[in-house]
Amino acid sequence: AQSVTQLDSQVPVFEEAPVELRCNYSSSVSVYLFWYVQYPNQGLQLLLKYLSGSTLVKGINGFEAEFNKSQTSFHLRKPSVHISDTAEYFCAVSDGSYQKVTFGTGTKLQVIP
Amino acid sequence: DTEVTQTPKHLVMGMTNKKSLKCEQHMGHRAMYWYKQKAKKPPELMFVYSYEKLSINESVPSRFSPECPNSSLLNLHLHALQPEDSALYLCASSQDRLLDNEQFFGPGTRLTVL
Repeated sequence: AQSVTQLDSQVPVFEEAPVELRCNYSSSVSVYLFWYVQYPNQGLQLLLKYLSGSTLVKGINGFEAEFNKSQTSFHLRKPSVHISDTAEYFCAVSDGSYQKVTFGTGTKLQVIP
Repeated sequence: DTEVTQTPKHLVMGMTNKKSLKCEQHMGHRAMYWYKQKAKKPPELMFVYSYEKLSINESVPSRFSPECPNSSLLNLHLHALQPEDSALYLCASSQDRLLDNEQFFGPGTRLTVL
């Protein structure tokens, strides 16, 4: 079975400051990892994904994440946040059973002007 | 066209009503999904269709009935719902490839059951 843990339910950060949203996963097999963003009253949008290869993954809107197999982590980072980054961020894992993705509980990023 | 559309945006229904949610995509994706999302919670998978056949049903009550008339359309028929079924219902689609499970989500239908 696979699972995802997002320890921080809320992360407040000042505009133009860096941010890291934490994600840890557990799985008995090889995993594929994703970060999705959900703006208020909208569906989810893929930020980035790790399938294989380079452990540093770059996504849209200036976000990046690093896959760390030894620490079973896939933390999301952005060097300088904007007000428009205020949203809910979900980490997700798939074990390659391509139809099933397990989502974490989400981290609400609040950017303070 | 990289969009998944869902109608209606909002729906209010009584417990004796019958209604349907509609989802459409024109990306040639062969897998389509229904999720239920309660406030401040992650999406929970309900159903998966692959090549128009139901492949996953996550033990969803029978008052929810999915239908996939063709590869572009996915419906969710609702009957005799309970107030606790009030939630945001999200549709998603993905290419039916083993290693790439990027799912494209629609904006959702916000359902209120009175």
